[in-house]
Amino acid sequence: QKEVEQDPGPLSVPEGAIVSLNCTYSNSAFQYFMWYRQYSRKGPELLMYTYSSGNKEDGRFTAQVDKSSKYISLFIRDSQPSDSATYLCAMKGGGSPRGLIQGAQKLVFGQGTRLTINP
Amino acid sequence: DAGVTQSPTHLIKTRGQQVTLRCSPKSGHDTVSWYQQALGQGPQFIFQYYEEEERQRGNFPDRFSGHQFPNYSSELNVNALLLGDSALYLCASTKRLSNQPQHFGDGTRLSIL
Repeated sequence: QKEVEQDPGPLSVPEGAIVSLNCTYSNSAFQYFMWYRQYSRKGPELLMYTYSSGNKEDGRFTAQVDKSSKYISLFIRDSQPSDSATYLCAMKGGGSPRGLIQGAQKLVFGQGTRLTINP
Repeated sequence: DAGVTQSPTHLIKTRGQQVTLRCSPKSGHDTVSWYQQALGQGPQFIFQYYEEEERQRGNFPDRFSGHQFPNYSSELNVNALLLGDSALYLCASTKRLSNQPQHFGDGTRLSIL
C-alpha cells in the first residue's frame, strides 16, 4: 500500500463547476499538507500549504485536512479552463517542539489527478 | 526574485552513460532536494542536501549521487544509466530552519535511448 493515495483521474468538468480533489494517507506522522499544480512540461507550483487539521481558503481554492480520517481535499470554485492541469497532493512530517522544521522533511506525493476544465 | 532554476531542460543519453544535472535554489534558500517524476506518476524523493552534505535519502541506488556547493547550488549525478532512469528530474529548495514550503524548478527531462 502506498503512503499517499490519489485518484489519477482523468477528471473532466464544465467551466464554472466546483471541483473536488482528494487524497488519503496512512502515515499518522504527517503534519504538513500541500497541493501543487503542474502544467504540462513545467514543475509543480505550490497552491496551498496547511498545517494539521482544518480549512484554508485562498481565492477560489479551499484546502481541507481531516487528520482523524487521514484525508485531505482541495476544492476549486468557479473553475476556469486555465485550471486544467495535474494536481498533486504532498505531505511531510513535523519538526521540532518549537515548530521549526529541523531539516526540511522530504515530501511524499500522491500520483496526481489530471483535471480538464471544458469551456 | 529568481525562483529555482535547473539546467539543462532536456537531455538525451544512451544506456551506460553518466549524466550531471544542475540546480540553483531560490534566493534565500539553503536546502535542496531532488525528486524523480516518471510519466504519469507523482515525484519520488531521491535525496536532500544542506550544509553541503547529504541529509536524507530515498529508495534510490548508489548510482544516484549528488553534491551541494558553498553557494547552495546542487548537482545530481547518475551513473550507468538504465532505460528506467528516463524521467523528469525536479529540484526543490527551501530555507531549512523555517516553516517555508518547498519550491520547485521546471525540471530536467532525461531520455535514455
